[in-house]
Amino acid sequence: EDKVVQSPLSLVVHEGDTVTLNCSYEVTNFRSLLWYKQEKKAPTFLFMLTSSGIEKKSGRLSSILDKKELFSILNITATQTGDSAIYLCAGGGSNYKLTFGKGTLLTVNP
Amino acid sequence: NAGVTQTPKFRVLKTGQSMTLLCAQDMNHEYMYWYRQDPGMGLRLIHYSVGEGTTAKGEVPDGYNVSRLKKQNFLLGLESAAPSQTSVYFCASRGRDSDTQYFGPGTRLTVL
Repeated sequence: EDKVVQSPLSLVVHEGDTVTLNCSYEVTNFRSLLWYKQEKKAPTFLFMLTSSGIEKKSGRLSSILDKKELFSILNITATQTGDSAIYLCAGGGSNYKLTFGKGTLLTVNP
Repeated sequence: NAGVTQTPKFRVLKTGQSMTLLCAQDMNHEYMYWYRQDPGMGLRLIHYSVGEGTTAKGEVPDGYNVSRLKKQNFLLGLESAAPSQTSVYFCASRGRDSDTQYFGPGTRLTVL
Protein backbone atom coordinates (compact mmCIF):
# COMPACT_ATOMS: atom_id res chain seq x y z
CA GLU A 1 0.00 0.00 0.00
CA ASP A 2 1.33 3.42 -0.98
CA LYS A 3 2.12 5.78 1.88
CA VAL A 4 3.06 9.45 2.23
CA VAL A 5 4.11 10.87 5.60
CA GLN A 6 4.49 14.56 6.30
CA SER A 7 6.24 16.23 9.21
CA PRO A 8 5.72 18.18 11.29
CA LEU A 9 1.92 17.95 11.47
CA SER A 10 1.77 21.55 12.63
CA LEU A 11 4.15 24.44 12.94
CA VAL A 12 3.88 27.96 14.34
CA VAL A 13 6.41 30.60 13.27
CA HIS A 14 6.80 34.38 13.23
CA GLU A 15 6.73 36.48 10.11
CA GLY A 16 10.13 36.54 8.46
CA ASP A 17 11.14 33.07 9.62
CA THR A 18 12.22 30.35 7.19
CA VAL A 19 10.43 27.02 7.38
CA THR A 20 11.12 23.56 6.01
CA LEU A 21 8.32 21.06 5.55
CA ASN A 22 9.12 17.39 5.09
CA CYS A 23 7.53 14.64 3.05
CA SER A 24 8.60 11.02 2.83
CA TYR A 25 6.97 8.56 0.47
CA GLU A 26 6.62 4.93 -0.46
CA VAL A 27 4.83 4.80 -3.81
CA THR A 28 4.80 1.84 -6.16
CA ASN A 29 6.23 2.73 -9.58
CA PHE A 30 6.85 6.27 -8.39
CA ARG A 31 6.50 8.98 -11.06
CA SER A 32 6.04 12.31 -9.32
CA LEU A 33 5.87 14.20 -6.04
CA LEU A 34 3.41 17.09 -5.78
CA TRP A 35 2.95 19.91 -3.28
CA TYR A 36 -0.33 21.72 -2.76
CA LYS A 37 -1.35 24.67 -0.58
CA GLN A 38 -4.77 24.61 1.05
CA GLU A 39 -6.27 27.65 2.68
CA LYS A 40 -9.93 27.58 3.69
CA LYS A 41 -10.96 26.08 0.41
CA ALA A 42 -9.64 23.75 -2.29
CA PRO A 43 -6.01 22.67 -2.56
CA THR A 44 -4.08 24.70 -5.09
CA PHE A 45 -1.11 23.28 -6.95
CA LEU A 46 2.39 24.50 -6.08
CA PHE A 47 4.98 22.16 -7.56
CA MET A 48 5.43 18.83 -9.26
CA LEU A 49 8.83 17.16 -9.06
CA THR A 50 9.89 14.19 -11.07
CA SER A 51 13.68 14.38 -11.14
CA SER A 52 15.97 13.97 -8.20
CA GLY A 53 18.13 16.88 -7.10
CA ILE A 54 16.53 19.53 -9.26
CA GLU A 55 15.05 22.41 -7.29
CA LYS A 56 11.77 23.97 -8.32
CA LYS A 57 11.32 27.55 -7.25
CA SER A 58 8.48 30.06 -7.23
CA GLY A 59 9.14 33.30 -5.41
CA ARG A 60 9.85 32.52 -1.75
CA LEU A 61 8.85 28.87 -2.13
CA SER A 62 11.14 26.12 -3.31
CA SER A 63 11.12 22.36 -3.31
CA ILE A 64 13.50 19.53 -4.01
CA LEU A 65 13.16 15.80 -4.41
CA ASP A 66 15.54 13.04 -3.33
CA LYS A 67 14.52 9.84 -5.11
CA LYS A 68 17.25 7.79 -3.47
CA GLU A 69 16.12 8.61 0.07
CA LEU A 70 12.43 8.88 -0.94
CA PHE A 71 11.70 12.32 0.42
CA SER A 72 11.01 15.87 -0.55
CA ILE A 73 11.18 19.19 1.26
CA LEU A 74 9.29 22.41 0.77
CA ASN A 75 11.07 25.56 1.90
CA ILE A 76 9.42 28.89 2.51
CA THR A 77 11.70 31.85 3.16
CA ALA A 78 10.73 35.20 4.72
CA THR A 79 7.32 33.83 5.71
CA GLN A 80 4.27 36.08 5.63
CA THR A 81 0.89 35.72 7.33
CA GLY A 82 -0.56 34.85 3.92
CA ASP A 83 1.54 31.69 3.94
CA SER A 84 -0.62 30.32 6.75
CA ALA A 85 -2.27 27.22 5.31
CA ILE A 86 -2.19 23.45 5.20
CA TYR A 87 0.53 22.19 2.90
CA LEU A 88 -0.20 18.85 1.31
CA CYS A 89 2.30 16.46 -0.23
CA ALA A 90 1.22 13.73 -2.64
CA GLY A 91 2.98 10.91 -4.44
CA GLY A 92 1.98 9.77 -7.91
CA GLY A 93 2.58 6.28 -9.27
CA SER A 94 1.60 4.56 -12.46
CA ASN A 95 -1.99 3.86 -11.40
CA TYR A 96 -3.53 7.29 -12.21
CA LYS A 97 -3.88 8.10 -8.52
CA LEU A 98 -2.19 10.39 -6.00
CA THR A 99 -1.57 9.32 -2.42
CA PHE A 100 -1.79 12.29 -0.08
CA GLY A 101 -0.12 12.86 3.25
CA LYS A 102 -2.12 14.25 6.16
CA GLY A 103 -0.66 17.69 5.63
CA THR A 104 1.33 20.22 7.66
CA LEU A 105 -0.63 23.07 9.22
CA LEU A 106 1.56 26.18 9.06
CA THR A 107 0.61 29.20 11.13
CA VAL A 108 2.58 32.42 10.58
CA ASN A 109 2.07 34.98 13.33
CA PRO A 110 2.71 38.69 12.74
CA ASN B 1 -12.43 28.65 -18.29
CA ALA B 2 -14.26 27.76 -15.08
CA GLY B 3 -11.91 24.85 -14.34
CA VAL B 4 -13.51 22.37 -11.96
CA THR B 5 -16.89 23.25 -10.49
CA GLN B 6 -18.97 21.45 -7.87
CA THR B 7 -22.66 21.59 -7.04
CA PRO B 8 -23.92 22.17 -4.38
CA LYS B 9 -21.52 24.09 -2.13
CA PHE B 10 -23.32 23.14 1.10
CA ARG B 11 -25.92 20.55 1.99
CA VAL B 12 -27.54 19.23 5.16
CA LEU B 13 -29.14 15.79 5.03
CA LYS B 14 -30.98 13.62 7.49
CA THR B 15 -29.80 10.06 8.07
CA GLY B 16 -31.16 7.80 5.34
CA GLN B 17 -31.69 10.51 2.74
CA SER B 18 -30.02 10.33 -0.65
CA MET B 19 -28.28 12.95 -2.72
CA THR B 20 -26.01 13.43 -5.72
CA LEU B 21 -23.00 15.70 -5.90
CA LEU B 22 -22.10 16.99 -9.35
CA CYS B 23 -18.61 17.72 -10.59
CA ALA B 24 -17.98 19.37 -13.93
CA GLN B 25 -14.71 20.27 -15.68
CA ASP B 26 -14.13 22.22 -18.86
CA MET B 27 -10.46 21.30 -19.40
CA ASN B 28 -11.16 18.18 -21.48
CA HIS B 29 -9.46 16.08 -18.81
CA GLU B 30 -9.55 12.31 -19.06
CA TYR B 31 -9.27 11.51 -15.35
CA MET B 32 -11.59 12.59 -12.57
CA TYR B 33 -11.60 11.90 -8.84
CA TRP B 34 -13.77 12.24 -5.75
CA TYR B 35 -12.10 12.76 -2.36
CA ARG B 36 -13.35 13.36 1.12
CA GLN B 37 -11.42 15.42 3.64
CA ASP B 38 -11.86 15.01 7.39
CA PRO B 39 -9.88 16.69 10.18
CA GLY B 40 -6.59 14.89 10.77
CA MET B 41 -7.22 12.41 7.95
CA GLY B 42 -5.98 14.27 4.90
CA LEU B 43 -7.55 13.68 1.50
CA ARG B 44 -8.92 10.18 0.96
CA LEU B 45 -9.91 8.89 -2.45
CA ILE B 46 -13.48 7.62 -2.74
CA HIS B 47 -13.81 6.72 -6.44
CA TYR B 48 -12.14 7.75 -9.63
CA SER B 49 -12.59 7.52 -13.37
CA VAL B 50 -10.01 7.14 -16.12
CA GLY B 51 -12.44 7.92 -18.93
CA GLU B 52 -16.04 8.31 -19.97
CA GLY B 53 -18.06 5.28 -18.95
CA THR B 54 -15.41 3.90 -16.57
CA THR B 55 -15.16 4.10 -12.78
CA ALA B 56 -13.04 2.45 -10.11
CA LYS B 57 -12.97 2.23 -6.33
CA GLY B 58 -10.56 4.24 -4.26
CA GLU B 59 -9.55 3.95 -0.64
CA VAL B 60 -12.96 4.58 1.01
CA PRO B 61 -15.71 3.62 -1.49
CA ASP B 62 -18.30 2.10 0.84
CA GLY B 63 -21.62 3.97 0.92
CA TYR B 64 -20.93 5.86 -2.31
CA ASN B 65 -21.61 5.29 -5.98
CA VAL B 66 -20.38 7.20 -9.00
CA SER B 67 -21.13 7.62 -12.67
CA ARG B 68 -19.27 9.19 -15.59
CA LEU B 69 -21.73 9.27 -18.46
CA LYS B 70 -20.10 12.31 -20.05
CA LYS B 71 -16.41 13.11 -20.15
CA GLN B 72 -16.87 16.48 -18.47
CA ASN B 73 -19.07 15.29 -15.57
CA PHE B 74 -18.48 13.00 -12.63
CA LEU B 75 -21.35 12.34 -10.22
CA LEU B 76 -21.04 11.10 -6.65
CA GLY B 77 -24.12 9.55 -5.08
CA LEU B 78 -25.02 8.76 -1.51
CA GLU B 79 -27.94 6.32 -1.50
CA SER B 80 -28.60 6.32 2.25
CA ALA B 81 -26.63 8.99 4.05
CA ALA B 82 -25.05 8.26 7.44
CA PRO B 83 -23.55 10.69 9.99
CA SER B 84 -20.12 9.16 9.22
CA GLN B 85 -20.40 10.71 5.75
CA THR B 86 -20.34 14.21 7.20
CA SER B 87 -17.29 15.65 5.48
CA VAL B 88 -15.98 18.06 2.88
CA TYR B 89 -16.01 16.50 -0.58
CA PHE B 90 -13.60 17.56 -3.30
CA CYS B 91 -13.64 16.69 -6.94
CA ALA B 92 -10.46 16.83 -9.00
CA SER B 93 -9.43 16.25 -12.58
CA ARG B 94 -6.23 15.83 -14.56
CA GLY B 95 -5.12 15.44 -18.10
CA ARG B 96 -3.50 12.41 -19.66
CA ASP B 97 0.02 13.82 -19.72
CA SER B 98 0.53 15.06 -16.17
CA ASP B 99 -0.07 13.83 -12.64
CA THR B 100 -1.18 17.30 -11.55
CA GLN B 101 -4.77 17.23 -10.33
CA TYR B 102 -6.89 20.38 -10.23
CA PHE B 103 -9.49 20.65 -7.51
CA GLY B 104 -13.00 22.00 -7.37
CA PRO B 105 -14.09 24.34 -4.54
CA GLY B 106 -15.58 21.57 -2.41
CA THR B 107 -18.98 20.60 -1.01
CA ARG B 108 -19.54 20.71 2.73
CA LEU B 109 -22.01 17.95 3.63
CA THR B 110 -23.54 17.48 7.05
CA VAL B 111 -25.60 14.39 7.84
CA LEU B 112 -27.75 14.67 10.95
